[in-house]
Amino acid sequence: GESVGLHLPTLSVQEGDNSIINCAYSNSASDYFIWYKQESGKGPQFIIDIRSNMDKRQGQRVTVLLNKTVKHLSLQIAATQPGDSAVYFCAENRGTGFQKLVFGTGTRLLVSP
Amino acid sequence: DTAVSQTPKYLVTQMGNDKSIKCEQNLGHDTMYWYKQDSKKFLKIMFSYNNKELIINETVPNRFSPKSPDKAHLNLHINSLELGDSAVYFCASSQDPQQPQHFGDGTRLSIL
Repeated sequence: GESVGLHLPTLSVQEGDNSIINCAYSNSASDYFIWYKQESGKGPQFIIDIRSNMDKRQGQRVTVLLNKTVKHLSLQIAATQPGDSAVYFCAENRGTGFQKLVFGTGTRLLVSP
Repeated sequence: DTAVSQTPKYLVTQMGNDKSIKCEQNLGHDTMYWYKQDSKKFLKIMFSYNNKELIINETVPNRFSPKSPDKAHLNLHINSLELGDSAVYFCASSQDPQQPQHFGDGTRLSIL
């Protein structure tokens, strides 16, 4: 399944499914993008990042895709597990020479066993 | 080992009071940040300090004053608290503009 992170939408998947969380960013000059996971009562936790000179980056069970033409970022989670349940945020760096992250509105991922 | 730590975790106080939130990072990072997360989970940058110098100040009311005694600490002082200040405040740090920020677990501020 997939979702667009506009008004904290919820993506519900079954354990073992692949999840896709989407994010639209607005500044074509943004050069660095990060995905964060936030669990209840905790701070955002770094998942994966990508620089603007790349279009794909893979981590353990996660892949980030960057499409600069349409200013779109996605996070793919393979074999989703109940522990992946959280709110996911994309962030774009709008600073030049320093980091100024602008966060998306977030997507809540619910994984049922 | 806690990388970015904030105190207190919860802060309940009356309107009009003055309060401070402390943040410390043991990552050796040069840059620290304060964010505000509202009830809809929207996360917004407030301030950023690099080596004790202010580099981002995002149209935050001047009732909010960050203070960085050294590059490992960035405290947030808030004067004359208002109802709209109720939120979760996060501290973060990073090493350079192309490295991810590391966040603390937040301070939930509730104004009565």
